[in-house]
Amino acid sequence: GAVVSQHPSRVICKSGTSVKIECRSLDFQATTMFWYRQFPKQSLMLMATSNEGSKATYEQGVEKDKFLINHASLTLSTLTVTSAHPEDSSFYICSARASYSNQPQHFGDGTRLSIL
Amino acid sequence: GENVEQHPSTLSVQEGDSAVIKCTYSDSASNYFPWYKQELGKGPQLIIDIRSNVGEKKDQRIAVTLNKTAKHFSLHITETQPEDSAVYFCAASIRVEGGNTPLVFGKGTRLSVIA
Repeated sequence: GAVVSQHPSRVICKSGTSVKIECRSLDFQATTMFWYRQFPKQSLMLMATSNEGSKATYEQGVEKDKFLINHASLTLSTLTVTSAHPEDSSFYICSARASYSNQPQHFGDGTRLSIL
Repeated sequence: GENVEQHPSTLSVQEGDSAVIKCTYSDSASNYFPWYKQELGKGPQLIIDIRSNVGEKKDQRIAVTLNKTAKHFSLHITETQPEDSAVYFCAASIRVEGGNTPLVFGKGTRLSVIA
């Protein structure tokens, strides 16, 4: 079945560091990729939607300069958390959907980001 | 915009019993309703989905029903097993040719199956 690979699975770093998270669709071409943030015991909060070759669309309240998204190919999207601070610690999950509108949306296994 | 409500927030059942999770949505234009299972420390995994032109869909022990008039849909798990223990999320979106709205998720249901 469809697989979305997310890397790294866990990051622990010092405050002020920038962290890049990769999301790859392994067996399908993903026109659209999504980035979510999930706090403990809560639902998934959509941060941004990225379409291959164009700028990402950010949800209200999400700082685009803080969370840089690049979707340079049909199989890869990256999220860079710039100058991360402890309040950015969270579980970040990417998701991808194949090019056809009737395809389901599949999720990666998430990245647990801990900023010290 | 779309709002999805999910109940209950926690559910405990005995192994072998059935579990039912219910969701309601607000936007009558929504036409796609997936269910995801999330295990601890992992991303959500799609377990079943239903489109608005269908009232019910089954896949082995899992079934989903949709009532468009009432704008609610439910997940039914029969003969529950300990490995069914996880957090389940419902979601809704609008799917049309040329563009889909992002999934809007419910708040999740923590299902515990007691052996």
